[in-house]
This record gives sequence, structure tokens and C-alpha cells, in this order.
Amino acid sequence: GENVEQHPSTLSVQEGDSAVIKCTYSDSASNYFPWYKQELGKGPQLIIDIRSNVGEKKDQRIAVTLNKTAKHFSLHITETQPEDSAVYFCAAIKANAGGTSYGKLTFGQGTILTVHP
Amino acid sequence: DGGITQSPKYLFRKEGQNVTLSCEQNLNHDAMYWYRQDPGQGLRLIYYSQIVNDFQKGDIAEGYSVSREKKESFPLTVTSAQKNPTAFYLCASSKPGRKNTEAFFGQGTRLTVV
Repeated sequence: GENVEQHPSTLSVQEGDSAVIKCTYSDSASNYFPWYKQELGKGPQLIIDIRSNVGEKKDQRIAVTLNKTAKHFSLHITETQPEDSAVYFCAAIKANAGGTSYGKLTFGQGTILTVHP
Repeated sequence: DGGITQSPKYLFRKEGQNVTLSCEQNLNHDAMYWYRQDPGQGLRLIYYSQIVNDFQKGDIAEGYSVSREKKESFPLTVTSAQKNPTAFYLCASSKPGRKNTEAFFGQGTRLTVV
């Protein structure tokens, strides 16, 4: 089955700096890669996603890049703010032969991001 | 407002007891999932259901059971066979499809064995 590795496990930055979290996946058939942000005591929330037919996607201060050949994708947060502090998870999912997916997401281990004021 | 609701938020169980966690969604999603979250291990899939009256084992199904009698509901029972049940449990739902893959999560239930 799919295996997703996420690094680093913890990341500490100063406010205004950039933060980068990297993930690798094992199944070349995976074609959807979401990123989730989880605040303390809450469920994860989708912040950005990318599909395998796209190499990069941006949404304001966050961006995701995908390298299908190397099977890795990254989350980039620019101009970090204290409210960006949270646990971030990457995930990967494979569509079946018919083109639909079951939402059977395989998650990375998570990255605890701390942004210091 | 549409959403996915888990209850209770905190649950305490004595050893040897079964306990059921509730998950309800009004998003008209076909698929529902249960994940377990332990520190440093990310989210691990327990069970998932793509349609009413059907469900599949995930990666760590042993000691758990589910039912899917209604589209809106996917309760998880943690049985006494689960040796280490203390964890944070997350329910999610999605509407599988080429364009609609996003999974929405509930706020979680923290289960503690006492």
C-alpha cells in the first residue's frame, strides 16, 4: 500500500520567515495530494491540495509543489505568522481505474510548526 | 450549516468495556472514514465506508467495529479486544469523484481508558 513520509517532525521559525515541509510517497499511482492544518484539540482542515496534472499551486501565502518523477511534494508558507502555528499533515490518495477515488487518504506523520513572534 | 459532528468530545472507558463513538454528517457525502491519531504517528485509517451498508477495514481495524445503516451516520465501536484504545479518534467524510476528493473532518473524540 501507499506510504507517506513527512519531514521535519518539528519546525520552528521566526515570524516573517518562510517554512517548508516535505513529503514523499511510494505509490506512483497516487494522484491527489492534500495538506491539512490541525489546531490543538480540533480536527484537521484542508488548506491546499494539488493534483498530479499540476506542478505547483498557490493560495496567498501558501503554495504546494509536486514532483511526480521523484514522488515528492512540498508545502511552502511565506511570511509566517503566529497563527500559522499548528500541526500540518500531508496526504496522498490513489484514484481507481474508473477515475473515482475513495478518499482513503494515507497521511504523513505530521509536522509541528511553531512561529515565534 | 453543513458539517460533520462527532460526539462526545471526551470519553472515558473502563478496561473490558465496549464504547461507541458517534459520527454524523449532513453534507450528503457518500464516503465516511474513521482515523486514529497517536502522537508522532499521524492519522491511521481504522475503517471506511463508500456507501450505505458497506464498509471496509483500514490499516488498524483489529479491536474495532463499525456500521453504516444510514448515509448520515457511521458509528465506531471500540471493543474490549482493542488493547490500547486510548487515543484521539477522528471521523471524516467525502464525496468521492474526480473533482470532489476533499475529506472533511469532525472535531474528534478523545478516548481515555481508566
